[in-house]
Amino acid sequence: GQQVMQIPQYQHVQEGEDFTTYCNSSTTLSNIQWYKQRPGGHPVFLIQLVKSGEVKKQKRLTFQFGEAKKNSSLHITATQTTDVGTYFCAGPGTASKLTFGTGTRLQVTL
Amino acid sequence: GAGVSQTPSNKVTEKGKYVELRCDPISGHTALYWYRQSLGQGPEFLIYFQGTGAADDSGLPNDRFFAVRPEGSVSTLKIQRTERGDSAVYLCASSPVHGDGYTFGSGTRLTVV
Repeated sequence: GQQVMQIPQYQHVQEGEDFTTYCNSSTTLSNIQWYKQRPGGHPVFLIQLVKSGEVKKQKRLTFQFGEAKKNSSLHITATQTTDVGTYFCAGPGTASKLTFGTGTRLQVTL
Repeated sequence: GAGVSQTPSNKVTEKGKYVELRCDPISGHTALYWYRQSLGQGPEFLIYFQGTGAADDSGLPNDRFFAVRPEGSVSTLKIQRTERGDSAVYLCASSPVHGDGYTFGSGTRLTVV
């Protein structure tokens, strides 16, 4: 079945440093979604990318969808403590279900 | 409502008992999803409803799990003869149409003792 892997599993940065998480799918995706889950919280939808090579920005967050539509990345510039959480990518699998990646847990310290 | 509501927020049950978890999606959202999340893992798909019908139940782990959405709004996930391995956070999500980003509820933390 479809597998969605993310690296790294965990990253600890100092506030102000940049952060990037990478997402790789075993199959070509029609689109990719990104979610953020704060500790003890539930996943919150951030963005959806649809086009090959698409780049979207949300303030300090930059999302990219690979040319082959099998990978994606999320880059955070100048991290803040409010960025703490686990970031999941998710891609549609067979027919309907959204398969979530393994997640990258981000810890930010002052 | 303003968001996806799940009740109860926490449920502790004894092994072998029956439990029901409720999800009230955002009004007007036709697509409803159930996921299960274990500690340190990503959400794992269970079932997807389009309106009243289960469009994809391929994620239900076995026949002890069943879900309904009789009027196309509220959904109930039912687990029979619970096992300790069923312990997890059960997340419900809805979207306006299938394929849009999901709005998740706060989840039900199920603990089977």
